[in-house]
Amino acid sequence: KNEVEQSPQNLTAQEGEFITINCSYSVGISALHWLQQHPGGGIVSLFMLSSGKKKHGRLIATINIQEKHSSLHITASHPRDSAVYICAPFNTDKLIFGTGTRLQVFP
Amino acid sequence: EAQVTQNPRYLITVTGKKLTVTCSQNMNHEYMSWYRQDPGLGLRQIYYSMNVEVTDKGDVPEGYKVSRKEKRNFPLILESPSPNQTSLYFCASRFAVRGPQHFGDGTRLSIL
Repeated sequence: KNEVEQSPQNLTAQEGEFITINCSYSVGISALHWLQQHPGGGIVSLFMLSSGKKKHGRLIATINIQEKHSSLHITASHPRDSAVYICAPFNTDKLIFGTGTRLQVFP
Repeated sequence: EAQVTQNPRYLITVTGKKLTVTCSQNMNHEYMSWYRQDPGLGLRQIYYSMNVEVTDKGDVPEGYKVSRKEKRNFPLILESPSPNQTSLYFCASRFAVRGPQHFGDGTRLSIL
C-alpha cells in the first residue's frame, strides 16, 4: 500500500465548478505540501501547511493531522487550473509524494 | 528573480556515455534535492544535500552521483547511463528543513 493516496486520480470539470482533491497518508508528518504541475512539466508549490486551513485566491487547502487527511479545493474552476496536483507530506526530513490528480477544466 | 535552473532541458544519449545535469539556485538555500518522475510512480528522491559537502542517498540512488562543492550548485552525474534511467528529472531547493520547495523546470533524459 502506498504511503500517500490521492483521489480521484483523474478529474474532469466544467468551468465554474467547485473542485475537491483528497489526500490520505499513513506516516507521521510535520507538514504537508500541495504542488501543481503544469502540462509543460514545471512544478510549483501551492501550499505548505501543518494544521487547519490556508487560502490563496481561489485555492483552499485543509489538513487534519489526527485523521491523516488533507484536501485541496478550487472554487470557481477555470481552464487554466488544468494541471496535475500533487500531495506531498513531509516525513522526518523528506517529502513523500503522491502520484497526483490530473484535473481538466473545460470551458 | 528567485529560481532553480537546470540544464539541459532535454537530452537524448546512448548507454554508457557519462552525462551531467547541472542545477543552480540563486536563493542561498541550504537544502537541495534531485528527484526523478516516472509515470504511475510519482516523484522519487535520488539524492539530497543539507549543505556544502553534505550529501545523502534518497530512495533511488543507484546509478547516480552528486556533489555539493558550492552552496548554489548541485549537479547530478550519471557515470554510465542505462535505459532504465530514462525519466524526467527535477532539481529542487528549500531554505529550511520544512520550508517550501522551489523546483527547476525539469530535464527530460532519454537513454537509448
